[in-house]
Amino acid sequence: DAKTTQPPSMDCAEGRAANLPCNHSTISGNEYVYWYRQIHSQGPQYIIHGLKNNETNEMASLIITEDRKSSTLILPHATLRDTAVYYCIVRVGNAGGTSYGKLTFGQGTILTVHP
Amino acid sequence: GAGVSQSPSNKVTEKGKDVELRCDPISGHTALYWYRQSLGQGLEFLIYFQGNSAPDKSGLPSDRFSAERTGGSVSTLTIQRTQQEDSAVYLCASSLGRGTNTEAFFGQGTRLTVV
Repeated sequence: DAKTTQPPSMDCAEGRAANLPCNHSTISGNEYVYWYRQIHSQGPQYIIHGLKNNETNEMASLIITEDRKSSTLILPHATLRDTAVYYCIVRVGNAGGTSYGKLTFGQGTILTVHP
Repeated sequence: GAGVSQSPSNKVTEKGKDVELRCDPISGHTALYWYRQSLGQGLEFLIYFQGNSAPDKSGLPSDRFSAERTGGSVSTLTIQRTQQEDSAVYLCASSLGRGTNTEAFFGQGTRLTVV
C-alpha cells in the first residue's frame, strides 16, 4: 500500500476553514484517497474519499492534485467539535491482491480548533 | 442496533489469562476489520474478513492472537496468554464490501487492560 505523510498537529480558529494536507507521492492508479477522523475516546469516523476529482459532501471537501501525489481535506467552517485526529489513507479500490479494500492508518494529524 | 457493536466495552484481565472480544457488525456488511490502538498511538491493523474469502491475517502480532467470523456475521478476537503489552483499545469495523463506495463503520472499541 502507498504510504501517506501528514503533519503531526495543526491549529485552527473556530469559524475558519481548516486545511489539512496529505502527501501520498507513491500512490498507484487504482488507489483512492480516504479521510477518517477520530474524536477522543471514539471509533474513527468516515469523512470523504476520492480518486482524482475533487469531492464535496456535507462534512468536508477533498482537493486532490492533478498528479495525485497530494491532497487537502477542507473543513469549511471549523467548530470546536471538529477537534480530532484526522487520518489520510490510500486504499486499493478494485479487485486484486490481498490488500484490496484494506484500510491502513498512519499517525494522522491532531487538529485543535480553538475559540 | 444500527451500528457496529463491541463487547465488553472494558475488560481487565490478569497476565497469562485468555480473553475473547466480540464484534457484531452492521447487518448485511460482508467485510469486517479488527484494529488495535495503544495509548496515544495510531490504529494498527490486525485482521480483515471479506465474505467467504480467506481472511487477511497479516497484521496479527503473534500466534497468541486469532479471530473467527461465524456465519459471516459475528466475529470473535481471541488473545491467549495475555501480556501487559496487549493492553490497548481493540476496534472493530464493518463495511458493505471492499469496493470504493463502501466506507467502514467503526464500533466504540473494547478497552483491554492486562494487569
